Amino acid sequence: EAQVTQNPRYLITVTGKKLTVTCSQNMNHEYMSWYRQDPGLGLRQIYYSMNVEVTDKGDVPEGYKVSRKEKRNFPLILESPSPNQTSLYFCASKLSGSGNTIYFGEGSWLTVV
Amino acid sequence: GQQVMQIPQYQHVQEGEDFTTYCNSSTTLSNIQWYKQRPGGHPVFLIQLVKSGEVKKQKRLTFQFGEAKKNSSLHITATQTTDVGTYFCAGSGNTPLVFGKGTRLSVIA
Repeated sequence: EAQVTQNPRYLITVTGKKLTVTCSQNMNHEYMSWYRQDPGLGLRQIYYSMNVEVTDKGDVPEGYKVSRKEKRNFPLILESPSPNQTSLYFCASKLSGSGNTIYFGEGSWLTVV
Repeated sequence: GQQVMQIPQYQHVQEGEDFTTYCNSSTTLSNIQWYKQRPGGHPVFLIQLVKSGEVKKQKRLTFQFGEAKKNSSLHITATQTTDVGTYFCAGSGNTPLVFGKGTRLSVIA
């Protein structure tokens, strides 16, 4: 089954404690992306990757890091989480090129206290 | 950069009423996609429009792409409680896909 898998799905953590949210897709997609969703702000792109070893900042990259060492994986790293990073995070992937459907993971609820 | 504005932000309707959400881009788009996110779920692809003036239908849902390829709409006829959720448009032009902020639809039975 074609899917985008994120882990953990739910996490409560403390300020400053590094954490990684993993994302894996089994569709051989070149393009992967991370979004955060906050009430009234819709989906905001954090980082995206057009292919292995190619990453670019989205609209809200501050406080986040990513890496793309393999085609299927695109982890999101919060080196020193802060409460304003409390949000719902979605990983997504698609084939490269304009007009291809984006497939979203089920989301990761992150709370930073 | 490219911006995609979507209105309204919220819409409450009685079951059986119609519903429309509108999307406007600051730049000409090569295509526009629509997604639906059920409460507690993740966005799921509904449809893509590519041609100027294109109209596509999926049962009670009608999607339109403007002649200038800068605006789009999603119209639901005779809403049902299963239509509840947030509808997002996403436009693609010279930049990667840009999402509108979404319209949250509530349907009162």
